[in-house]
Amino acid sequence: GQQVMQIPQYQHVQEGEDFTTYCNSSTTLSNIQWYKQRPGGHPVFLIQLVKSGEVKKQKRLTFQFGEAKKNSSLHITATQTTDVGTYFCAGRLIQGAQKLVFGQGTRLTINP
Amino acid sequence: GAGVSQTPSNKVTEKGKYVELRCDPISGHTALYWYRQSLGQGPEFLIYFQGTGAADDSGLPNDRFFAVRPEGSVSTLKIQRTERGDSAVYLCASSPWGGFDEQFFGPGTRLTVL
Repeated sequence: GQQVMQIPQYQHVQEGEDFTTYCNSSTTLSNIQWYKQRPGGHPVFLIQLVKSGEVKKQKRLTFQFGEAKKNSSLHITATQTTDVGTYFCAGRLIQGAQKLVFGQGTRLTINP
Repeated sequence: GAGVSQTPSNKVTEKGKYVELRCDPISGHTALYWYRQSLGQGPEFLIYFQGTGAADDSGLPNDRFFAVRPEGSVSTLKIQRTERGDSAVYLCASSPWGGFDEQFFGPGTRLTVL
């Protein structure tokens, strides 16, 4: 069954508003990656988090990995129309495993 | 440089037929992954190759699915006796070494089983 859950499934915002998506795992993750998939496109890697409590920033995007390494979040400040797409978290459940388990994604739409 | 390529981009087949989906990874990438993505869902892991060998095939749903990578580069995903439930986008990804590398995805093959 689904071991990596993402909420919300959908989010619609006005351009300029902030956006956050949350990722939760039933088991401890060895690391987590985030991908963005534009409509009709394929997933594109954004970032990887490895350490407990890690925070990384990419311009308007802030990624966090929880202290227990079971949850993660992606926050976008002041959304722009180019942020439209579906954001996926993907975690490795077992240390050393190659298999990535993807969440079901959060689809972001923006009203310009 | 060239990214991951997949052929065909679209494949329509009839229930019970055999299909082959091809993936050309980024040159020099030793790790190759196959995923399946249904509408509104995240990619679902199928199989991982390190070089020529299938290092993890735990995601293959049943024995109708098989994948090869005979020379450690191009990979083919083979589906026998296709079923309507096999309809999905099949994504291939590669990474330089595996491990904690980012994965580079191809555009996918949309498979429709009638």
